Amino acid sequence: DAGVTQSPTHLIKTRGQQVTLRCSPKSGHDTVSWYQQALGQGPQFIFQYYEEEERQRGNFPDRFSGHQFPNYSSELNVNALLLGDSALYLCASSAARGRNGELFFGEGSRLTVL
Amino acid sequence: SQQGEEDPQALSIQEGENATMNCSYKTSINNLQWYRQNSGRGLVHLILIRSNEREKHSGRLRVTLDTSKKSSSLLITASRAADTASYFCATDPMNRDDKIIFGKGTRLHILP
Repeated sequence: DAGVTQSPTHLIKTRGQQVTLRCSPKSGHDTVSWYQQALGQGPQFIFQYYEEEERQRGNFPDRFSGHQFPNYSSELNVNALLLGDSALYLCASSAARGRNGELFFGEGSRLTVL
Repeated sequence: SQQGEEDPQALSIQEGENATMNCSYKTSINNLQWYRQNSGRGLVHLILIRSNEREKHSGRLRVTLDTSKKSSSLLITASRAADTASYFCATDPMNRDDKIIFGKGTRLHILP
């Protein structure tokens, strides 16, 4: 049973560029949440997707957008990258039908913005 | 918005000793969860305790929950080198519109 998978694992971008991160949830899970984790900090909630719709959103600008596909996989897009967007981006899935529940995390995508 | 706050921020103990970490939060919750994160890796779910539970065990882990004080503790007994990691509490708020919030974590270091 595959767990949560994320790609790419590492990537380097320059300021102003755009990035797309991908996530496949654990088998049987229908809800995907994205978190940003800066070095030495706890994960910060970006948004949550269920039934292909954004259900909840944290305090992140509109530069951060997402999508969920019919197979429950998800993408996180960040436009006009800033140096401060450098972080570990974590995807978490759950079988919570859009509500909160036990989260299963992927290994993350480490983004470096130069 | 509510937030779990772990205490202490960092903890170093000798292998074999017990490690205790605390978490405080602000509003009513459905449950509280503890996660572990090895350096630069994803978070791993350790244990979930519901608001109507006071104590829960899983192997060497013991979690307590005091809803009147809005606090929880995670005890790791007989610590091992492999327990070196960051530990986060996450609160699932009773308000359906609120999301799970993580604290800044406790960085635990087990000394040989």
